[in-house]
Amino acid sequence: DIQMTQSPSSVSASVGDRVTITCRASQDIRSWLAWYQQKPGQAPKLLIYAASSLQSGVPSRFSGTGSGTHFTLTISSLQPDDFATYYCQQAHSFPLTFGLGTKLEI
Amino acid sequence: QVQLQESGPGLVKPSETLSLTCSVSGGSINSYYWSWIRQPPGKRVEWIGHIHYSGDTTYNPSLQSRVTISVDASQNQFSLNLNSVTAADTAVYYCARIRRRVVVATDTDYWYFDLWGRGTLVIVSS
Repeated sequence: DIQMTQSPSSVSASVGDRVTITCRASQDIRSWLAWYQQKPGQAPKLLIYAASSLQSGVPSRFSGTGSGTHFTLTISSLQPDDFATYYCQQAHSFPLTFGLGTKLEI
Repeated sequence: QVQLQESGPGLVKPSETLSLTCSVSGGSINSYYWSWIRQPPGKRVEWIGHIHYSGDTTYNPSLQSRVTISVDASQNQFSLNLNSVTAADTAVYYCARIRRRVVVATDTDYWYFDLWGRGTLVIVSS
């Protein structure tokens, strides 16, 4: 199975900050990575697929980069609604696997 | 607007079968793949498997011997059965629509989840 490692596991930030979350794959997954946002008690929400493609309706302050084994999710200017947990998922091969998550806190 | 809703017992006894149904509203179950995913408390999100509306299935090898996913297109629903459950199967179970994108240039495909249900907590306990 492809192991997905996210860092940091948690990060404290303020409204207006720029935040970057990293996800590493245990083997080359090309650009086949997705990012999700999850708030307590809610379903995960797709933010980005294919490493850098923004899902329809997602604000442009979210961006993704990377290929191979190293990927990043950046939020350019944090808004109050962005405080949540973020997960990466490798979309390359079965079984599909997720990172442990990064909790973004005030 | 397509919405997914999980339903089923919130408590299952050890060694019994966990059965959940996902109802799809606001759109047809046809032409897509549909998936089950779970998240045990404090643990990693785990893909369980998925089914095409035609009935073709793909399962996580770690669960394959115990899992069955089925679809009922007439009811716009798909279901999960997980047998011989233990406490380790306690989790929030999500249903989701899974998208398959084919990259013709490289003859490869990739998969991601674009719609999720809110999830339902299933506890395995006697």
